Amino acid sequence: DTAVSQTPKYLVTQMGNDKSIKCEQNLGHDTMYWYKQDSKKFLKIMFSYNNKELIINETVPNRFSPKSPDKAHLNLHINSLELGDSAVYFCASSPRDIDTGELFFGEGSRLTVL
Amino acid sequence: SQKIEQNSEALNIQEGKTATLTCNYTNYSPAYLQWYRQDPGRGPVFLLLIRENEKEKRKERLKVTFDTTLKQSLFHITASQPADSATYLCALGDYKLSFGAGTTVTVRA
Repeated sequence: DTAVSQTPKYLVTQMGNDKSIKCEQNLGHDTMYWYKQDSKKFLKIMFSYNNKELIINETVPNRFSPKSPDKAHLNLHINSLELGDSAVYFCASSPRDIDTGELFFGEGSRLTVL
Repeated sequence: SQKIEQNSEALNIQEGKTATLTCNYTNYSPAYLQWYRQDPGRGPVFLLLIRENEKEKRKERLKVTFDTTLKQSLFHITASQPADSATYLCALGDYKLSFGAGTTVTVRA
């Protein structure tokens, strides 16, 4: 049973389109995250939610909008996609707010914008 | 600005040897440091955590040291095996977890 699952795993789309990536965790964790891993392999935090409340919002264009309908789900919607949005997006969860809890990552969603 | 640097991008070693990876940081005062393993096409997997008041942590063949004066962590894989081949990421924790770019380790049989 997958702990943190993301869909879709691959997404190829044209510039200007809008797309969503979904994430679900069955670990009972309170905190969920979106990270972006670019071509140079840097993992950068984008957003963090604790029990459906946004607690971290890094410098991310407002074309990116996270939504957490409940604490087990965190979706990422991207409007007006640009070439530079091409990356692998990872969802993660942790047992508690930013403390020393380890992150449990999903397998990633590779977004390619043409 | 804050920076996390992991030594080389790639490390090639012979099976049975010890791999030593370095994580240096500037302009951070992390409360803890974590190491993750990432295989191609997969998400990172947590390996070890060490707090700022701890000098060393061990888990099976893995050992991590943390020197807040030098602003450096060393990650050792002893008696390395081909199955240890992967990219290893260090991550610093303050109010969020920030990652280095990783070091790719290849263990030759």
